[in-house]
Amino acid sequence: SQQGEEDPQALSIQEGENATMNCSYKTSINNLQWYRQNSGRGLVHLILIRSNEREKHSGRLRVTLDTSKKSSSLLITASRAADTASYFCASDPYNNNDMRFGAGTRLTVKP
Amino acid sequence: EPEVTQTPSHQVTQMGQEVILRCVPISNHLYFYWYRQILGQKVEFLVSFYNNEISEKSEIFDDQFSVERPDGSNFTLKIRSTKLEDSAMYFCASSTGANGEAFFGQGTRLTVV
Repeated sequence: SQQGEEDPQALSIQEGENATMNCSYKTSINNLQWYRQNSGRGLVHLILIRSNEREKHSGRLRVTLDTSKKSSSLLITASRAADTASYFCASDPYNNNDMRFGAGTRLTVKP
Repeated sequence: EPEVTQTPSHQVTQMGQEVILRCVPISNHLYFYWYRQILGQKVEFLVSFYNNEISEKSEIFDDQFSVERPDGSNFTLKIRSTKLEDSAMYFCASSTGANGEAFFGQGTRLTVV
């Protein structure tokens, strides 16, 4: 079954605001990865958080992981119009080599 | 910076025809994957490949699909007899380890007419 469901499905904010996207998954994981996809383009790897980590930062990105709730969040601070894209979480299940994606959050940052 | 490359970027084929989608993973990576994304929908796992054999496959990856690593660099996805519903973006990915970062190519847009 598919893992990783994001919410919200769509998010529209003003430039400079923070954007928070959430992801839930179903089974135990080794890690969870966040990707970005510009319309009709490839998936760009943003950040990987391992199951024994609770928080990770990369530039304006902050990812949290709560394995007890099987959920993760991606925070983009001080958003820019160029951050407009779809964001997907992908959970890497424990003992399986079949990383599964959620449906994604479509983020629109208005200038 | 090393990247996963996919060819062609766009392929149009007649229903019932065979197609081969090509991928060149990052050279020191050992795990290879194919995913697909139907327009406007989520990215779906098709298959993972390690040590010259399939390690996992999804329910989508039926007998019409096959993968091959014919030489040291290419990783291919073959669809034997395409259907209209095979129209999608197909993404190849590779990683150094089973639990490492997976890097994706730009995708091949397959249109079955």
